[in-house]
Amino acid sequence: ETGVTQTPRHLVMGMTNKKSLKCEQHLGHNAMYWYKQSAKKPLELMFVYSLEERVENNSVPSRFSPECPNSSHLFLHLHTLQPEDSALYLCASSQVTWGTEENTIYFGEGSWLTVV
Amino acid sequence: GQQLNQSPQSMFIQEGEDVSMNCTSSSIFNTWLWYKQDPGEGPVLLIALYKAGELTSNGRLTAQFGITRKDSFLNISASIPSDVGIYFCANANAGNMLTFGGGTRLMVKP
Repeated sequence: ETGVTQTPRHLVMGMTNKKSLKCEQHLGHNAMYWYKQSAKKPLELMFVYSLEERVENNSVPSRFSPECPNSSHLFLHLHTLQPEDSALYLCASSQVTWGTEENTIYFGEGSWLTVV
Repeated sequence: GQQLNQSPQSMFIQEGEDVSMNCTSSSIFNTWLWYKQDPGEGPVLLIALYKAGELTSNGRLTAQFGITRKDSFLNISASIPSDVGIYFCANANAGNMLTFGGGTRLMVKP
């Protein structure tokens, strides 16, 4: 139990569906992240929210839409995805101390997404 | 952009053997982190290093922050089957964003 909870753990969706991934952190952290992990690729940072404001996008396709309603919750809204978007989507959180690089992030267990 | 070169990409060892993996970067950093990812799970932090030359242990795991601040290694002593998984190095850039290495996939033969 890392203090970061993701739901659902597994999701199968069609290319025309709209679905959302949910993440909740119980660690009192001030930053939350979405990472994508595909087979044989390094972890790819998708979105970062710090103090509930998006600070990095990394040119992620618009079919992925993040939402951070408060410091404990993060969503990833999915719409008209492609089969190549099938991957493990990992949520993470951290307590960022500005002016230092001491940023240890804690991951959830991930949501396995399959687009058919 | 920033890249972390992690090696080896995979290892297949006998139970009881020691393991060593490392990460190098062309840039200097102030943080090195090591994570382990079990199959079907998210990465879990193993060791965090914040000072050049720092040597830190966590049970059978030992990690060091290279003195040049461009590299780090992780050693696992007397490996056991539950050590199986993917090990990632990571470090933070000036914007506090983490970059991950490509991972080392460890397989342990009982």
